[in-house]
Amino acid sequence: KQEVTQIPAALSVPEGENLVLNCSFTDSAIYNLQWFRQDPGKGLTSLLLIQSSQREQTSGRLNASLDKSSGRSTLYIAASQPGDSATYLCAVSTSGTYKYIFGTGTRLKVLA
Amino acid sequence: EAGVAQSPRYKIIEKRQSVAFWCNPISGHATLYWYQQILGQGPKLLIQFQNNGVVDDSQLPKDRFSAERLKGVDSTLKIQPAKLEDSAVYLCASSFGFRRQTYEQYFGPGTRLTVT
Repeated sequence: KQEVTQIPAALSVPEGENLVLNCSFTDSAIYNLQWFRQDPGKGLTSLLLIQSSQREQTSGRLNASLDKSSGRSTLYIAASQPGDSATYLCAVSTSGTYKYIFGTGTRLKVLA
Repeated sequence: EAGVAQSPRYKIIEKRQSVAFWCNPISGHATLYWYQQILGQGPKLLIQFQNNGVVDDSQLPKDRFSAERLKGVDSTLKIQPAKLEDSAVYLCASSFGFRRQTYEQYFGPGTRLTVT
């Protein structure tokens, strides 16, 4: 059974800092992995999707990497801004079921 | 392009009452998902539709929850009767399909349900 863990649960950093959010999964037979952002009281916004055959994806200041063999993905945020404050969730789709299993998220606060 | 629409945005009911949520996916998206997100947790899949057929409902409490997508577009999720532990945000998502690695899920704003 796939389990997804995100560490840390919460993170507070000063503006301008580069930071890394971690996502670990137990079953390496994944189909794809998606990183989402969730603002308070809002739905989820897709940030990056990495297919199982890919190692990384980039969008603007965001870079997500995937290492299936170690069961890890990282989301790198460069030059953080107060507007980046949100909860970041990773979701893993496992081969065969295609069902997304979500982590519990990392609550990020970027201080001005 | 319009996003995933959900209504209502908020609902407060007493335990043992019934409630229904509505979702309109992005036009052309064949796959529709309902998730339950309890405070402090990640979303949990309740049911997945492909057009008007059910792909996965293994985590849907079928004694009290039901969902339908009769014409393969809009969907409704119903809870009857509600329990206190059903208090959560109910998220609807859609995607073009689900059997390709490039298919992303797009989420609606959610319905926050409070059961008192």
